[in-house]
Amino acid sequence: DAGVTQSPTHLIKTRGQQVTLRCSPKSGHDTVSWYQQALGQGPQFIFQYYEEEERQRGNFPDRFSGHQFPNYSSELNVNALLLGDSALYLCASSPWTGEDTDTQYFGPGTRLTVL
Amino acid sequence: GQSLEQPSEVTAVEGAIVQINCTYQTSGFYGLSWYQQHDGGAPTFLSYNALDGLEETGRFSSFLSRSDSYGYLLLQELQMKDSASYFCAVTSWGKFQFGAGTQVVVTP
Repeated sequence: DAGVTQSPTHLIKTRGQQVTLRCSPKSGHDTVSWYQQALGQGPQFIFQYYEEEERQRGNFPDRFSGHQFPNYSSELNVNALLLGDSALYLCASSPWTGEDTDTQYFGPGTRLTVL
Repeated sequence: GQSLEQPSEVTAVEGAIVQINCTYQTSGFYGLSWYQQHDGGAPTFLSYNALDGLEETGRFSSFLSRSDSYGYLLLQELQMKDSASYFCAVTSWGKFQFGAGTQVVVTP
């Protein structure tokens, strides 16, 4: 049973650049959420996608955008990178309905460093 | 506004019992979850409470009191491998909000 996968593992960018992170959900899951985790902090909810639409959004600026594909995989795009965007970006999947709907299954994350 | 509070660090010896408290303030509360995260790893799900009471899963138990906006995670028979960060998280209006985490340090 394939778990949540993310790519790339690590990424280094400079201020002002744009980045795209990718996520494939756990088999059987149709909902993908993205989180930003700064060092020593808890994951901060960015947004959630279901049926290729953004369903919920946290307190993040419009520089953060996403997409979900028909196969349920998802991308997170961040434009005009700032130093403060350096963090671990986590993708989590869950089923939209059923018992596990409030359980987040996390991928290994992408470590983004902005120089 | 919304907030979650949990202690920043707890230290205990192997075999001991540790309780991590979590108080929350949120509207549209649906449930309280607990996640474990080892250094360099991803958070992994431990337990979920939507109703008041105690949920037991092996050495870990979780409790929720909706009227008190309070929950706790109980770690019993502590093992060295339990050294990790533990996060409480609330689900409200379809969004997930995580606390800042409690670092549990298990000593021999």
